[in-house]
Amino acid sequence: AIQMTQSPSSLSASVGDRVTITCRASQGIRNDCGWYQQKPGKAPKLLIYAASTLYSGVPSRFSGSGSGTDFTLTISSLQPEDFATYYCLQDYNYPHTFGQGTKLEIK
Amino acid sequence: EVQLVESGGGLVQPGGSLKLSCSASGFTFNNYWMTWIRQAPGKGLDWVANIRKDGSDKYYADSVKGRFTISRDNAKNSVYLQMDSLRAEDTALYYCAADSSPNQGSAWYTTYDFWGQGTLVTVSS
Repeated sequence: AIQMTQSPSSLSASVGDRVTITCRASQGIRNDCGWYQQKPGKAPKLLIYAASTLYSGVPSRFSGSGSGTDFTLTISSLQPEDFATYYCLQDYNYPHTFGQGTKLEIK
Repeated sequence: EVQLVESGGGLVQPGGSLKLSCSASGFTFNNYWMTWIRQAPGKGLDWVANIRKDGSDKYYADSVKGRFTISRDNAKNSVYLQMDSLRAEDTALYYCAADSSPNQGSAWYTTYDFWGQGTLVTVSS
């Protein structure tokens, strides 16, 4: 199975900061990468698919990039509601696999 | 209003069986792939299995292959997960998710558009 390695595993930042989370695939996955946000006690929500396509209704401060093995999720200006855990997902082949998560905390 | 409601979780002994159900409403169920994703307490997301819109294809994580079976009934707008030979490491909150699988040109992608609230499975003696 393809492994998705996320970094960092945790991150402290302030409102208004620009933050970047990365995901590296253990083999090339074209642009078959998505990003999800999860808040405590809630189901995850889709942010980005196909590496860079913003899902409907997601604020434009979220963006994604990358192809092949390296992918990034960027939040251009952190808002209070963005403090959560973020996961990447590869859907290049089966079984689909998630990264281990990045917990974004308030500094 | 879109809803996915999971049920069937509970406490089961190692080696036992459990069948989860997920009932959908508010969207055209047979236009979506359906997926089970789990999350062990305090841990990350773990992809378990999915099933094509018409039920013709099914895929499983290596950790559950041969023990879990996914199925769906489009007439009942429901997807199921039969879990046999359960192990302690299967303890988790099990989510069902609906994937509209959008395409861009000739490429198809996974999008978990809708999620349930999860049902908790605890495997313990």
